[in-house]
Amino acid sequence: QKEVEQNSGPLSVPEGAIASLNCTYSDRGSQSFFWYRQYSGKSPELIMSIYSNGDKEDGRFTAQLNKASQYVSLLIRDSQPSDSATYLCAVNRGGNTPLVFGKGTRLSVIA
Amino acid sequence: EAGVTQFPSHSVIEKGQTVTLRCDPISGHDNLYWYRRVMGKEIKFLLHFVKESKQDESGMPNNRFLAERTGGTYSTLKVQPAELEDSGVYFCASSQGARWNDEQFFGPGTRLTVL
Repeated sequence: QKEVEQNSGPLSVPEGAIASLNCTYSDRGSQSFFWYRQYSGKSPELIMSIYSNGDKEDGRFTAQLNKASQYVSLLIRDSQPSDSATYLCAVNRGGNTPLVFGKGTRLSVIA
Repeated sequence: EAGVTQFPSHSVIEKGQTVTLRCDPISGHDNLYWYRRVMGKEIKFLLHFVKESKQDESGMPNNRFLAERTGGTYSTLKVQPAELEDSGVYFCASSQGARWNDEQFFGPGTRLTVL
């Protein structure tokens, strides 16, 4: 079983729609959860972090965490073509422990 | 504030040669990490420095890889001798280390191609 699983996509959504990205993880000791956005050939850029169950909103982005189900999601409202990128889900055991990544979901926002 | 920088951005070498990658973390960040992404796979952890000490090197694939962080500032990752399967993108990340939930910031990566 892979440690962090994501649907590789591509996920295509029309401009202005909500994009929903999902991630499951296997390590029940995971404490911190992150979403990184990576444009082609660029570095992963941290866009959201979440540490407790529930929702966390930041602008057009909402991260959702359900530790009982070992599930993390990212919602992007009012999707823009500039949101087209690969979204990486990453988890760790808190502190300064290494990140465990999923393969990423490629999002394409169609104008 | 400058971000994490890496050098070179690309390196093409032949099997059996040596390559050294460099990472400069964000100033003041005690934690420095090396990760690698091989084609078609997820980004995987290689090792973690706290200042100049190796905290965790459980992800290093074999003894052909040597990482150093002299003085607790920049770090180098040397591959000697390089093999075909070492090809991939090598990322460096840093975090401050002062809080329990510190976030890791990534550099642009070095794309290594071994022919």
